[in-house]
Amino acid sequence: GIQVEQSPPDLILQEGANSTLRCNFSDSVNNLQWFHQNPWGQLINLFYIPSGTKQNGRLSATTVATERYSLLYISSSQTTDSGVYFCAVPNQAGTALIFGKGTTLSVSS
Amino acid sequence: EAGVTQSPTHLIKTRGQQATLRCSPISGHTSVYWYQQALGLGLQFLLWYDEGEERNRGNFPPRFSGRQFPNYSSELNVNALELEDSALYLCASSLDRRSSYEQYFGPGTRLTVT
Repeated sequence: GIQVEQSPPDLILQEGANSTLRCNFSDSVNNLQWFHQNPWGQLINLFYIPSGTKQNGRLSATTVATERYSLLYISSSQTTDSGVYFCAVPNQAGTALIFGKGTTLSVSS
Repeated sequence: EAGVTQSPTHLIKTRGQQATLRCSPISGHTSVYWYQQALGLGLQFLLWYDEGEERNRGNFPPRFSGRQFPNYSSELNVNALELEDSALYLCASSLDRRSSYEQYFGPGTRLTVT
């Protein structure tokens, strides 16, 4: 089945720093989502980005579908950005999302 | 517009008991998905319901089951609870069964089995 790998697994930043999170996937997909899991466990939708680039405030994402990767950029990090970031793509049958193992981001003031 | 809702927030059960978790999708969404997030195991797909039918299940034993009601809300039942069933259970909904549609997640139910 399709494999999803995220890097780095952990990231420690000072407030104000920028960061790039990467998601590689092993097969072509028609859907890619980025999520932020808050401290209470809820997955917050960040981007739905099967291809191209999108921006939302300090966050932006780029998916290069032909090369099977997506990047999530966080600029001017804030402590509230801390948490786990997941990317997810549909399985080959399109019947479920396959998640990467996540990147745990810690932003300190 | 209300998001996906789940109840209860927390559930504590004893090994061997049954647990029932509930999910209401976003209004207009017909597909409901269940995922399990156990410590150290990541987010794993459990079940998918669309238009009242079970469309797919993940690699979980039959004691994990559920259903979808005519109003598209869903219930996840876990029978004969085991300690390793302790996890965060997340429900998601999407507009319909097409894989290109975005999934939106609820706040989760944290199940603890003692």
